[in-house]
Amino acid sequence: GAGVSQSPSNKVTEKGKDVELRCDPISGHTALYWYRQRLGQGLEFLIYFQGNSAPDKSGLPSDRFSAERTGESVSTLTIQRTQQEDSAVYLCASSLAGDFYNEQFFGPGTRLTVL
Amino acid sequence: QKEVEQDPGPLSVPEGAIVSLNCTYSNSAFQYFMWYRQYSRKGPELLMYTYSSGNKEDGRFTAQVDKSSKYISLFIRDSQPSDSATYLCAMSAIGNYGQNFVFGPGTRLSVLP
Repeated sequence: GAGVSQSPSNKVTEKGKDVELRCDPISGHTALYWYRQRLGQGLEFLIYFQGNSAPDKSGLPSDRFSAERTGESVSTLTIQRTQQEDSAVYLCASSLAGDFYNEQFFGPGTRLTVL
Repeated sequence: QKEVEQDPGPLSVPEGAIVSLNCTYSNSAFQYFMWYRQYSRKGPELLMYTYSSGNKEDGRFTAQVDKSSKYISLFIRDSQPSDSATYLCAMSAIGNYGQNFVFGPGTRLSVLP
């Protein structure tokens, strides 16, 4: 079956431009997570969606970062006025939600390079 | 102190060696413990998950959890070149907002033929 997909796979942009990254979760997965992974680093939590609401935005590094989700499907992560330190791989994951453990399934990521 | 710490590596071993990967954590609220494998330019994929203290085996992989010491390990027996990847430990707890995950920084493993 289809897994989590992300687009674009690579994005090169100039400092100061806005970028939009897209995530298509697995159908039926109500929970959706965005992470940032800098080169050689672990995953840094950005934001979590339950359905189309974001109860936990604690990881967003600045107000230049925002995200939204349409229903229980597509999510977009927007970075405004990009800076060079935003260069990283942005990973999306989805899972079933509940009061017990559910496996996260990751997409392949979007590699963002800010020149 | 970071919430989850992991041996940084990188780690290089010959084919057939036993590999030990380790993480420590500070938050006793974590209930679930996972190991992910991440190949270059790919997203992480779940290798194993455990809930209780003790060992869990799956083929050549054994996950070990010691909640009293806040320490988890992944052992790989008879390592193969195809095991070369970055291994991430992760911990999860069910909080007010649902399930949250915290990842270690990862250990890069190279298995040399």
